[in-house]
Amino acid sequence: EDQVTQSPEALRLQEGESSSLNCSYTVSGLRGLFWYRQDPGKGPEFLFTLYSAGEEKEKERLKATLTKKESFLHITAPKPEDSATYLCAVHNNDMRFGAGTRLTVKP
Amino acid sequence: ETGVTQSPTHLIKTRGQQVTLRCSSQSGHNTVSWYQQALGQGPQFIFQYYREEENGRGNFPPRFSGLQFPNYSSELNVNALELDDSALYLCASSLGTPVGETQYFGPGTRLLVL
Repeated sequence: EDQVTQSPEALRLQEGESSSLNCSYTVSGLRGLFWYRQDPGKGPEFLFTLYSAGEEKEKERLKATLTKKESFLHITAPKPEDSATYLCAVHNNDMRFGAGTRLTVKP
Repeated sequence: ETGVTQSPTHLIKTRGQQVTLRCSSQSGHNTVSWYQQALGQGPQFIFQYYREEENGRGNFPPRFSGLQFPNYSSELNVNALELDDSALYLCASSLGTPVGETQYFGPGTRLLVL
């Protein structure tokens, strides 16, 4: 069965302290891996789509990478406004989401 | 270009009742997917509609049903509500066929079943 596991569950950083979030997956045939940001009480906001191992995408302080078994979301010099839950999802026959990493960035 | 909209924003029902949630897809999108998100968890796929036909279904019972209209808006119907149905219901739209295309989410409908 397809599985998506995100770690850590929660992460607290000081402003400017870079770190990485992990998304490990097992899927029979990956058709895409997606990263979303979700603020409390709101719908997920699209960040990145990755399709093949070795692919990387960047947006402001965020960079997503993909291997055959996992994806990383690297956050460089985070700011308090980066505080949110970050979700990854894999597509095979349907979209399977992880439980998310709750990121808090303290000023 | 308008984004994905959902109505209502909040809803309170009692066990055994029925509920209908509505979603308007982003302009130009022909595919709508519905998700259930319990507190502290990731969204769970309920089903997807592509050009008015169901195009995939997750592990949800038949009392969860849906509809897509010619203008690609969609409804999610839940019959015989149970306490565990309390959740945030999310609608996402995309362009093209199946899941795999980037999906854009609406703000969600918060359902509370008492």
